Amino acid sequence: DAGVTQSPTHLIKTRGQHVTLRCSPISGHKSVSWYQQVLGQGPQFIFQYYEKEERGRGNFPDRFSARQFPNYSSELNVNALLLGDSALYLCASRVAPTGDEQFFGPGTRLTVL
Amino acid sequence: AQSVTQPDIHITVSEGASLELRCNYSYGATPYLFWYVQSPGQGLQLLLKYFSGDTLVQGIKGFEAEFKRSQSSFNLRKPSVHWSDAAEYFCAVGFMEYGNKLVFGAGTILRVKS
Repeated sequence: DAGVTQSPTHLIKTRGQHVTLRCSPISGHKSVSWYQQVLGQGPQFIFQYYEKEERGRGNFPDRFSARQFPNYSSELNVNALLLGDSALYLCASRVAPTGDEQFFGPGTRLTVL
Repeated sequence: AQSVTQPDIHITVSEGASLELRCNYSYGATPYLFWYVQSPGQGLQLLLKYFSGDTLVQGIKGFEAEFKRSQSSFNLRKPSVHWSDAAEYFCAVGFMEYGNKLVFGAGTILRVKS
C-alpha cells in the first residue's frame, strides 16, 4: 500500500509569493496534520483536519491556511512568504483524529529567497 | 505550556556499543509518547509508542523505551548500535486536548563510529 505522499518534493519561491503544498493520506485515513520543520529543529504542529473540519491549530500566523477535500487529501497554503518560512513541511495521516499513530510523508522542502 | 526536552544535541557511539537517548516532557497528565527517527532528507519513521500499560515498550529495529512517570521521562535505548542507526532521533508527546497535536523535542543526532 502507498504511504503518505506529498507534492512537490522541492520548491523555491521568493518573498511575498504564495505557495500551495499538497498531501495525499494513506488509503482509509481520514485525518491529516501538517507540521513545519525548520533546519536544526523538531517539527512544529500547524494544523489538523479530520473529515474536512479543522480539529486543531498551532501557533502560526493567519498567512497559513489549509483545507481537506472529500477524498481526504489536503492542501497547505502560505501567503506573503517570508524568509523564515523556509523549512521542510511534513504531512501526517491517521485513521482517526486521536488515539493512534500518525504516519508521516517525506515532506516538501520549501526555500524562500 | 507543554514542552519536550532532548538534552543531547549530538551523541557519538561506537558500533556495537549500547545507546541511550534522553527525553523529558513537561505536562500535568500522562500523555502519549513516541520516538521517531529521521534520516537525511527523509520523513519521520515511528520507532515505538507508549499509550498506557507496561512502561517498557519494544519497538522496531531493536529499540526499546521506558516510561518513568516520576521523572517525566521516556528514554530510548538499544543494546548494540549498528552503523545504519546513524540518523536524527526525535521524542514526541501527544496531547489530545490541544488539537491532537504532537510536540517534538529538538532532536538528537546520532553518529556511529566504526
